[in-house]
Amino acid sequence: AQTVTQSQPEMSVQEAETVTLSCTYDTSENNYYLFWYKQPPSRQMILVIRQEAYKQQNATENRFSVNFQKAAKSFSLKISDSQLGDTAMYFCAFMKLSRRGNNNDMRFGAGTRLTVKP
Amino acid sequence: DSGVTQTPKHLITATGQRVTLRCSPRSGDLSVYWYQQSLDQGLQFLIQYYNGEERAKGNILERFSAQQFPDLHSELNLSSLELGDSALYFCASSVSGTSGGQETQYFGPGTRLLVL
Repeated sequence: AQTVTQSQPEMSVQEAETVTLSCTYDTSENNYYLFWYKQPPSRQMILVIRQEAYKQQNATENRFSVNFQKAAKSFSLKISDSQLGDTAMYFCAFMKLSRRGNNNDMRFGAGTRLTVKP
Repeated sequence: DSGVTQTPKHLITATGQRVTLRCSPRSGDLSVYWYQQSLDQGLQFLIQYYNGEERAKGNILERFSAQQFPDLHSELNLSSLELGDSALYFCASSVSGTSGGQETQYFGPGTRLLVL
């Protein structure tokens, strides 16, 4: 079974600074996807970034980037130039890619609560 | 706005009762997933439907059931409700292809269930 671990329950960062959220996972699968979702106080789950395991290049979305270390099974999220609107719960998620492509349930970590301070 | 809709937004009911939560996926998405988010269990995958058929089952109780209809909307039925069923229930949808980002799941706003 796949497990996802987020070892930082809470973090804080000053506005405009950079913060890195950690995530490790355990799997015997070779083909899978990793995601970071953001859950602000509204409780909406918002996709931040995704990474395909077969890609060596780290994914980047504007101020958000990941450091994907497949051998170490590590998938950290870096937020640059932090903004007040980044305050949220951040969840790391793992999804194996089935051969049929339609059995893709996700497993989530426990989340990291990030507070951006003015 | 993810394009996934869920109704109702809030639901308050009593123990022993039965409720139905509804989800409409994004246009073109064939897969619907149900998740439960509670304080003590975190985000848990419940069940997945793909084009009307059950595809994967997670930590779903026997008191819970779901289905996906021909128009691809889905309903999650919760019966014999207990206090511990109080949670935020999310629906997510994806195209469910094998590549090209079609497997990415987009979440609805959730239904907040309170069992008294």
